[in-house]
Amino acid sequence: DVKVTQSSRYLVKRTGEKVFLECVQDMDHENMFWYRQDPGLGLRLIYFSYDVKMKEKGDIPEGYSVSREKKERFSLILESASTNQTSMYLCASSPPALDLWGFFGPGTRLTVL
Amino acid sequence: EDQVTQSPEALRLQEGESSSLNCSYTVSGLRGLFWYRQDPGKGPEFLFTLYSAGEEKEKERLKATLTKKESFLHITAPKPEDSATYLCAVQAKTGGFKTIFGAGTRLFVKA
Repeated sequence: DVKVTQSSRYLVKRTGEKVFLECVQDMDHENMFWYRQDPGLGLRLIYFSYDVKMKEKGDIPEGYSVSREKKERFSLILESASTNQTSMYLCASSPPALDLWGFFGPGTRLTVL
Repeated sequence: EDQVTQSPEALRLQEGESSSLNCSYTVSGLRGLFWYRQDPGKGPEFLFTLYSAGEEKEKERLKATLTKKESFLHITAPKPEDSATYLCAVQAKTGGFKTIFGAGTRLFVKA
C-alpha cells in the first residue's frame, strides 16, 4: 500500500514563528503536492514538485516556501506564521499516470495563535 | 478560469435510498476528472479517474459518470458506512499537474 506520512497531526504555533511541515512518501512517486483545506473552500494548491529540487507555485503560494532535496520528502515552510494560515494542511503524492491520482497523507491541523 | 462546483453541499439519505451527487466543471480542455472520498479527520482517498464524456466507472455501490460539463457520483442503496465527504477535482490539459478541487458534498446516511 502507498503510504504518505506527515510529521505531525496537530500543531500549535505562535504568530511570527517559522514552521516546518514534513511529508514522506514510500512509493517512489515523482509528483508531490501541498494543499490547504478550509471549510467551504475545498483544497487549494500551495506548491507542487515534479522532481527533486524542482518546485512550482500553486494558487496560493504567498507566505509559504517548499523544499525537495530527496525524492521521497517534500517539506512546506511557513516563513513567519500568521493567524490566517490556521488550516488543515494535506500532502499528496502521485505517479505520472492519472489512473491513480493523489495519495494523500492524514493531514496536519495547524493552529497559529 | 478553471472551476469546479459541487452540489448539494450536504445530503442526508436513509439507508437504501439511492441518490446522486453533482460536479459541474469548467476547464480549458479536460485531462482528467477525479472523485475522492474523505472521512472526518483524514486525507482524501482516491476513488475514480474519468477522462472523456460518456465514460463510466463503478466501485461497489458507487458509479461515476461524465459528460462534457458535469460528472455525477451515483450512490445505489447506500449504507451508513458510505457517510463521508465526496470531493470532485479536475485537471486541465494545459495546467501541468495542477488539480482544481470542488468544495465537496457531505453525505450522511442514516440507518
